[in-house]
Amino acid sequence: RKEVEQDPGPFNVPEGATVAFNCTYSNSASQSFFWYRQDCRKEPKLLMSVYSSGNEDGRFTAQLNRASQYISLLIRDSKLSDSATYLCVVNIRNTDKLIFGTGTRLQVFP
Amino acid sequence: DGGITQSPKYLFRKEGQNVTLSCEQNLNHDAMYWYRQDPGQGLRLIYYSQIVNDFQKGDIAEGYSVSREKKESFPLTVTSAQKNPTAFYLCASSRSSRALTGANVLTFGAGSRLTVL
Repeated sequence: RKEVEQDPGPFNVPEGATVAFNCTYSNSASQSFFWYRQDCRKEPKLLMSVYSSGNEDGRFTAQLNRASQYISLLIRDSKLSDSATYLCVVNIRNTDKLIFGTGTRLQVFP
Repeated sequence: DGGITQSPKYLFRKEGQNVTLSCEQNLNHDAMYWYRQDPGQGLRLIYYSQIVNDFQKGDIAEGYSVSREKKESFPLTVTSAQKNPTAFYLCASSRSSRALTGANVLTFGAGSRLTVL
């Protein structure tokens, strides 16, 4: 079983739609969580960190469920420019490494 | 502006050749990393360095070598021993390698795409 699992998609949604991605992690020692966005053939860029109480940044909402070991990303009012691959990233307590999911591809159409 | 610069952006090499990818950062970050990305797979850690003159193997270090002689620089050599070197290589840095949290996250360079002919 992969340490971090994501549905690869693609998720094809119309502009203005709300879309949600989940990411599950297997290591209970996971302590820090992030969502990165990666455009085609570009480097990943931090979208947002995920805090225990959940957090929001404009149209983006991230949530953490430690009991079920998953994090989620909700995008409201999707824009064409949201089309990208969204990477779930986890840091394990007392390690120097990040574990990356394979990413979920989102395609927003007009 | 501070950032990470990788070069070259695209590189072609013949089988059996070594090639070195450059990574320079002016963010004053202590920690630097090399990742490899293949289609359908998550980023995999090759090597990382927490401080000058020190580095550790990641999950897929075989066939690669690094050096960290200066804080700003962390070059990666892909040797002929690497069986399947064609990939997208990403260099990253963070303020430190400990407690990777919201205030101390990875920043990536634009990547180097290596193709073996």
